[in-house]
Amino acid sequence: DAGVIQSPRHEVTEMGQEVTLRCKPISGHDYLFWYRQTMMRGLELLIYFNNNVPIDDSGMPEDRFSAKMPNASFSTLKIQPSEPRDSAVYFCASSIMGEQYFGPGTRLTVT
Amino acid sequence: GIQVEQSPPDLILQEGANSTLRCNFSDSVNNLQWFHQNPWGQLINLFYIPSGTKQNGRLSATTVATERYSLLYISSSQTTDSGVYFCAVGLSGGGADGLTFGKGTHLIIQP
Repeated sequence: DAGVIQSPRHEVTEMGQEVTLRCKPISGHDYLFWYRQTMMRGLELLIYFNNNVPIDDSGMPEDRFSAKMPNASFSTLKIQPSEPRDSAVYFCASSIMGEQYFGPGTRLTVT
Repeated sequence: GIQVEQSPPDLILQEGANSTLRCNFSDSVNNLQWFHQNPWGQLINLFYIPSGTKQNGRLSATTVATERYSLLYISSSQTTDSGVYFCAVGLSGGGADGLTFGKGTHLIIQP
């Protein structure tokens, strides 16, 4: 298997623009997680899905953030409008009853 | 929420040395995982170990859930072991929830 796939790997955008991050989990995994990593806050959980259904979105920082999982092989994390404080590395991970496997991350820079 | 404390925060060793990394957590957990983040930012799952002991080559881990700590042992360190080691915990068994990460132990192995 190719592992968890994320795109784009790098994104530079201007404040106020919409940003969409994409994730393809490992085939057969029924859990999908979105995390964010910053120097100040470390790694923090944003939201996770089980069988395409959002289970816990309490980590989503505010209404500007939204996530969807329309099918078992695709998820998006959208930020609209983006702000400089959203600059971070965004990771997607998937699992099936145990170990979480992380994608390579998307490095987002909002100027 | 759950508090996760890792020690030491930084560790510099010579190649060939052994090390022990510690993770303390504030509540009873049913999900504990160790990750290695390499210098390129990739997060690699090392162990899913809510309790007991596991070994994988030069690495081993022990979790004593009743005393709320876990240890990661690295023997005969190599320069490729450098990076940040994260402990992450969750409340649900079977890996069925998002993880709360510690701040990590930054390990440097010198040749």
